[in-house]
Amino acid sequence: QQQVKQSPQSLIVQKGGISIINCAYENTAFDYFPWYQQFPGKGPALLIAIRPDVSEKKEGRFTISFNKSAKQFSLHIMDSQPGDSATYFCAASFSGNTPLVFGKGTRLSVIA
Amino acid sequence: DGGITQSPKYLFRKEGQNVTLSCEQNLNHDAMYWYRQDPGQGLRLIYYSQIVNDFQKGDIAEGYSVSREKKESFPLTVTSAQKNPTAFYLCASSGRPRGSNEKLFFGSGTQLSVL
Repeated sequence: QQQVKQSPQSLIVQKGGISIINCAYENTAFDYFPWYQQFPGKGPALLIAIRPDVSEKKEGRFTISFNKSAKQFSLHIMDSQPGDSATYFCAASFSGNTPLVFGKGTRLSVIA
Repeated sequence: DGGITQSPKYLFRKEGQNVTLSCEQNLNHDAMYWYRQDPGQGLRLIYYSQIVNDFQKGDIAEGYSVSREKKESFPLTVTSAQKNPTAFYLCASSGRPRGSNEKLFFGSGTQLSVL
């Protein structure tokens, strides 16, 4: 059972455009929703995270939008740059002793 | 530099052979994790440990074994029972495993291939 569904699987965006990646979750007990960024041959690194008490969180060009009623959250990358080309993973977890559950990832390519 | 060190970066396994992937951290983190990454499959949890001398199975533990004898080290053994071991293996750690959503720190991974 896939607890976090991520889409699209791949995305091509023009330089300067907006990249949008979506995730949907099933377990309403989840209370922490991070996004990780991974470059080829490297381990993922935390990009930004949100908790369900807010509907949006922004850090620089990266924004998470959270819709609790729809059980969905998304990552928006404004003014996308070629250096943003990477694989992005959404994830979720809930308080307690449970590890993160990851989506299947989105490969983003930003072309000039 | 503080961080997680995985070795080797590339590893080849012969049929019927057990191989061990190393993971060491100097972040003084309590919790450590092993994930397997296959193209298009995301990150799948193999094993995790929240404290020394204790570990739990993840979603795909069959064919793998771990130990946690020291806080700094969490080696993963891929046994001959794992019939499809070719994948990118990632080790991670976090500082506060209980009742917390602590940031995961990942190593640079080990690519395991079958000869």
